Amino acid sequence: NAGVTQTPKFQVLKTGQSMTLQCAQDMNHNSMYWYRQDPGMGLRLIYYSASEGTTDKGEVPNGYNVSRLNKREFSLRLESAAPSQTSVYFCASIQRVYNEQFFGPGTRLTVL
Amino acid sequence: GENVEQHPSTLSVQEGDSAVIKCTYSDSASNYFPWYKQELGKRPQLIIDIRSNVGEKKDQRIAVTLNKTAKHFSLHITETQPEDSAVYFCAAPLSTNKLIFGTGTLLAVQP
Repeated sequence: NAGVTQTPKFQVLKTGQSMTLQCAQDMNHNSMYWYRQDPGMGLRLIYYSASEGTTDKGEVPNGYNVSRLNKREFSLRLESAAPSQTSVYFCASIQRVYNEQFFGPGTRLTVL
Repeated sequence: GENVEQHPSTLSVQEGDSAVIKCTYSDSASNYFPWYKQELGKRPQLIIDIRSNVGEKKDQRIAVTLNKTAKHFSLHITETQPEDSAVYFCAAPLSTNKLIFGTGTLLAVQP
């Protein structure tokens, strides 16, 4: 089992550019999440998908969109990147909220 | 809104000493409290969790205690070692579908 995988690992964008972060899990988990991690701010939830076919906003959804492509894949899109979106992005998945949440390796994004 | 407060934000201890990290939560309906450890440059990983029908849980040098009346829970690490140096996050459920995380504690164990 690969667990949770993310691509790319690193990315540098210019302000206004767009990109999609990819995430996949092979544990047959129902729920998937996108977090951003900034120094001193912990892990803040951007969007989540409780089950295939559903998506919901988290704490900091502005500037992002998501797609739950199927049960395995959950992508995060930045339509017009801003320097404030410079961060480390983690994807995670879970079978139920009272079980372990598995994180991907992270994507380090810099917006110039 | 619902939140989880975590203290301290940084903690430095001597090797062999104990470390305690505390979290408070606001949703009285919360009943599951995990702790995650994140080593430098790596992903967060679950190290221990506790459910509301239990007051304390231990796993070797790590223990978590829960006080539901006061709405706080704590992580205790005894006989700290350099490899315990990391960022630790507490979390609590915010609805049946998601967790809310504390802001993290950077633990430095000095040899």
